Amino acid sequence: DVKVTQSSRYLVKRTGEKVFLECVQDMDHENMFWYRQDPGLGLRLIYFSYDVKMKEKGDIPEGYSVSREKKERFSLILESASTNQTSMYLCASSPDRRPREKLFFGSGTQLSVL
Amino acid sequence: AQKITQTQPGMFVQEKEAVTLDCTYDTSDQSYGLFWYKQPSSGEMIFLIYQGSYDEQNATEGRYSLNFQKARKSANLVISASQLGDSAMYFCADIPGTASKLTFGTGTRLQVTL
Repeated sequence: DVKVTQSSRYLVKRTGEKVFLECVQDMDHENMFWYRQDPGLGLRLIYFSYDVKMKEKGDIPEGYSVSREKKERFSLILESASTNQTSMYLCASSPDRRPREKLFFGSGTQLSVL
Repeated sequence: AQKITQTQPGMFVQEKEAVTLDCTYDTSDQSYGLFWYKQPSSGEMIFLIYQGSYDEQNATEGRYSLNFQKARKSANLVISASQLGDSAMYFCADIPGTASKLTFGTGTRLQVTL
């Protein structure tokens, strides 16, 4: 089975801190995604990547950056965390660009910024 | 831009009854796909069912079926013979034929009662 692993289930950080959320997938998938989930807003795409060292902005990239130095790892970076970035963050991967390919999700990181 | 609408924030259904969760989409693409995911309280996103825009038959996966009405741009999920374990958040999502990033709706919380 495909496994998408997010390094932390819960994280508490202070305003202004630089925050790294790590995601690793073990099935050689090309595509990786970062979503944030907020009540009443569903899942919103922050950034995604179709290949190593490439990235594309999603719908809400402001305040975030990403890094994909290796195919299996996709990191989400909050350069200076703010309270409005308190949210559940979900990482996902999919094999390739064919539209039928479903996303496989990690179990999420609940980030609280105080 | 793609838009997915789920108008039911919450639904109740009795055990063993069928329930329909609504989803409408707004895309100008001719080729696209539609997904449903389940998110139990544990947080992981579980793929349920997929429908391609050119699929002539409605998709079915066990107790899940997708009522696809292309002209009305609706892709409702039907769960037959509800079980207590079906209590969860349900998300509809669509994907354009040219890329592999999903756009999600805001979700419907389903509660199955005795």
